[in-house]
Amino acid sequence: EAGVAQSPRYKIIEKRQSVAFWCNPISGHATLYWYQQILGQGPKLLIQFQNNGVVDDSQLPKDRFSAERLKGVDSTLKIQPAKLEDSAVYLCASSLEDLANTQYFGPGTRLTVL
Amino acid sequence: GEDVEQSLFLSVREGDSSVINCTYTDSSSTYLYWYKQEPGAGLQLLTYIFSNMDMKQDQRLTVLLNKKDKHLSLRIADTQTGDSAIYFCAESRRYGGSQGNLIFGKGTKLSVKP
Repeated sequence: EAGVAQSPRYKIIEKRQSVAFWCNPISGHATLYWYQQILGQGPKLLIQFQNNGVVDDSQLPKDRFSAERLKGVDSTLKIQPAKLEDSAVYLCASSLEDLANTQYFGPGTRLTVL
Repeated sequence: GEDVEQSLFLSVREGDSSVINCTYTDSSSTYLYWYKQEPGAGLQLLTYIFSNMDMKQDQRLTVLLNKKDKHLSLRIADTQTGDSAIYFCAESRRYGGSQGNLIFGKGTKLSVKP
């Protein structure tokens, strides 16, 4: 079974530029998550989708971050404009609707904002 | 507080047992998890425990849960150099109708010396 795919793996941009990340979850997983992991910290949830609907986006900085999951499969996360403090690894995860809410993570996109 | 807390570093010798500790905050969390992160990689689910259990064993891994003290530990028997990584403790918190998102600690960096 293929895992969660993310691209690109690395991205370097200058502040005030825009950037987009892409995630393809495990086939059949209805729930998709985007997490931000700043160096030295644990991942923090940005947004959670159930199929193509948003379940929780309370931690998403909506003035600059946006995410969508058209057709309930792939998802994109966009930052516009980027700030220095957005430098982090952006992790996508997906899960089945099992009792344990087992989440499977992709390799992440490492963003550096200069 | 609202944080999941872990000690930041642990160093052991190859062949010894490693014990990584964690305290969590939400007594209503139904599942608690241990994830492993190797350099440049996403998070790999190691194991999880349901909150009505005291212990779970899976090959070299033993999870102990003290619900009264909100304390979780992960014991790795016969630690190998390949176990060197960052280990994250996480609890699952539910919001309204959502399935629950994961709240992570900052991670414990395990170094295994030959």
